[in-house]
Amino acid sequence: KAGVTQTPRYLIKTRGQQVTLSCSPISGHRSVSWYQQTPGQGLQFLFEYFSETQRNKGNFPGRFSGRQFSNSRSEMNVSTLELGDSALYLCASSLAGGVSSGANVLTFGAGSRLTVL
Amino acid sequence: GEDVEQSLFLSVREGDSSVINCTYTDSSSTYLYWYKQEPGAGLQLLTYIFSNMDMKQDQRLTVLLNKKDKHLSLRIADTQTGDSAIYFCAEIYGQNFVFGPGTRLSVLP
Repeated sequence: KAGVTQTPRYLIKTRGQQVTLSCSPISGHRSVSWYQQTPGQGLQFLFEYFSETQRNKGNFPGRFSGRQFSNSRSEMNVSTLELGDSALYLCASSLAGGVSSGANVLTFGAGSRLTVL
Repeated sequence: GEDVEQSLFLSVREGDSSVINCTYTDSSSTYLYWYKQEPGAGLQLLTYIFSNMDMKQDQRLTVLLNKKDKHLSLRIADTQTGDSAIYFCAEIYGQNFVFGPGTRLSVLP
């Protein structure tokens, strides 16, 4: 069974540009969550999508947005990039997401490493 | 607010046991998780424990949960160089996963 696939794995942008990252979840998983990982802030929750709807959102500015398609694939977009947006962006999928009965196990992709110059 | 705490670094000798500690915030957390991150990779689920359990053992891994003190620990027996990684504990706070800062485990030969 294929895992969570994130593309691109690495990218370099300059300040002011925008970027779109893609995540293909495990087949059958309907929830996709995004996290930003930096050495200083650790893992921070960006947002979660379930059945094409944003269900939860972390404390990030509106420059960070996302969407989910009918096949559960998800994209996140960062506009007007800043140097501080340099990070590893991790996507995770799960069957149901959020608080659900049973252990809600997140399966992570390898991440997209964004460098902003 | 939510705050999961871990010590940042741990060094052990190969063959010794490693114990990684974590304190969490939400006493109503139903499940608590341990994830492992190797260099250049995403997070990989190691194990999780249901909140009505005190202990869970899975091969070389032992998880201990003290709900009263909101303390979670992960013990790795016979630690190997391949165990060198960052270990994250996590809880579900509200509807979101909250991860600790991660403990970087270094295994010395």
